[in-house]
Amino acid sequence: QSALTQPPSASGSPGQSVTISCTGTSSDVGVYNYVSWYQQHPGKAPKVMIYEVSKRPSGVPDRFSGSKSGNTASLTVSGLQAEDEADYYCSSYAGSKNLVFGTGTKVTVL
Amino acid sequence: EVQLVQSGAEVKKPGESLKISCKGSGYIFTSYWIGWVRQMPGKGLEWMGIIYPGDSDTRYSPSFQGQVTISADKSVNTAYLQWRSLKASDTAMYYCARTSGSGIHHPFDIWGQGTMVTVSS
Repeated sequence: QSALTQPPSASGSPGQSVTISCTGTSSDVGVYNYVSWYQQHPGKAPKVMIYEVSKRPSGVPDRFSGSKSGNTASLTVSGLQAEDEADYYCSSYAGSKNLVFGTGTKVTVL
Repeated sequence: EVQLVQSGAEVKKPGESLKISCKGSGYIFTSYWIGWVRQMPGKGLEWMGIIYPGDSDTRYSPSFQGQVTISADKSVNTAYLQWRSLKASDTAMYYCARTSGSGIHHPFDIWGQGTMVTVSS
């Protein structure tokens, strides 16, 4: 299966919001509500920020939110903070015990 | 504390074999899937495959099928990723990660620290 498509970069000033899209197909994002979002800081392992499209794990700030429409999922970071500067990856269950990651988006806090 | 601890960095020559490990602790190892994720230098995350240590049910990404072997030894709470013949293009950081539940669709909530594999002549 092909990687989910994300914009290479996104940016915003502190306090602003940024939204990242994640486009898949009717075989993954479009049919399963098992989309997750991961944050990865340089040199660190990824950390799950959103799962099942819009659920937040314990400890993740409510500034992070997720949604989905059709074959496209989105991650919104509201009230941007310097520590939110990182790479973000979406992932989706793709059926038949397969998973797929997105291409990744580098978020810059201006 | 729930954690996954991976084996250390490796430097290998093309054509050599390699097996890296991922040891789980602080939870019931046989009740959660363990996945492997590749990250080539400066690139994104790629899902390689996943194993359920409880019964060794294993799935591979089509991109990695036949290129690597994923296994697990539940007697020592350890999952493995191995290559029979490494290529320079296998140079990457490899992460293992545990699903948050017993279903494969659950997110990866616990990650290992990563194992850097360098393949160079």
